[in-house]
Amino acid sequence: QIQLVQSGVEVKKPGASVNVSCKASGYTFTSYGISWLRQAPGQGLEWMGWIRVSDVYTIYAQRLQGRITMTTDTSTNTAYVELTSLTSDDTAVYYCARRGTMDAFDHWGQGTVVTVSS
Amino acid sequence: SYELTQPPSVSVSPGQTASITCSGDRLGDKYASWYHQKPGQSPVLVIYHDNKRPSGIPERFSGSNSGNTATLTISGTQAMDEADYFCQAWDSSTAVFGGGTKLTVL
Repeated sequence: QIQLVQSGVEVKKPGASVNVSCKASGYTFTSYGISWLRQAPGQGLEWMGWIRVSDVYTIYAQRLQGRITMTTDTSTNTAYVELTSLTSDDTAVYYCARRGTMDAFDHWGQGTVVTVSS
Repeated sequence: SYELTQPPSVSVSPGQTASITCSGDRLGDKYASWYHQKPGQSPVLVIYHDNKRPSGIPERFSGSNSGNTATLTISGTQAMDEADYFCQAWDSSTAVFGGGTKLTVL
């Protein structure tokens, strides 16, 4: 079955960077894109960007431009997101999600809690 | 930037029909998707392409999209349907989400 398994809890200080991974299985990794999304405590979903695995074409949310980088490793079927210059506003659960052929997010990772605190 | 607006909360009695709306400028010209999310869990896709159900989603979930409003309808609502519901559409290659609606079944 299709699974997206994310890395574990992260606690970071303001100004630091965080790197979250998402290992895919159960489908052909290079045939789909991966999006990253996040959800601040008690808030809604925020789309962070998308990477097309086949050619690593990326689109990032405008408000995160300059601080975010998405990459993939096709040898391990793993996607990564790095976010730099963290502030308390970046405290959230971070999700990876597969962008399916129907242009919706049809499979999601379990989420990674990222806390930014001094 | 493009915005989608949802009511913060909707209440429904068990067995009745719940309708959750999502409004956006000319939303009917785009495809709308819907997700539900239970506390502590990841979102789950329940409707895509306005009115299509992924495999495994019960028939009581349906959707429509016209003009400026997309609607998620849950017929014969069950207690297990109590969750947060988010609409989503694409605008200029960017995914946009509504703020979410808390569905209470009481």
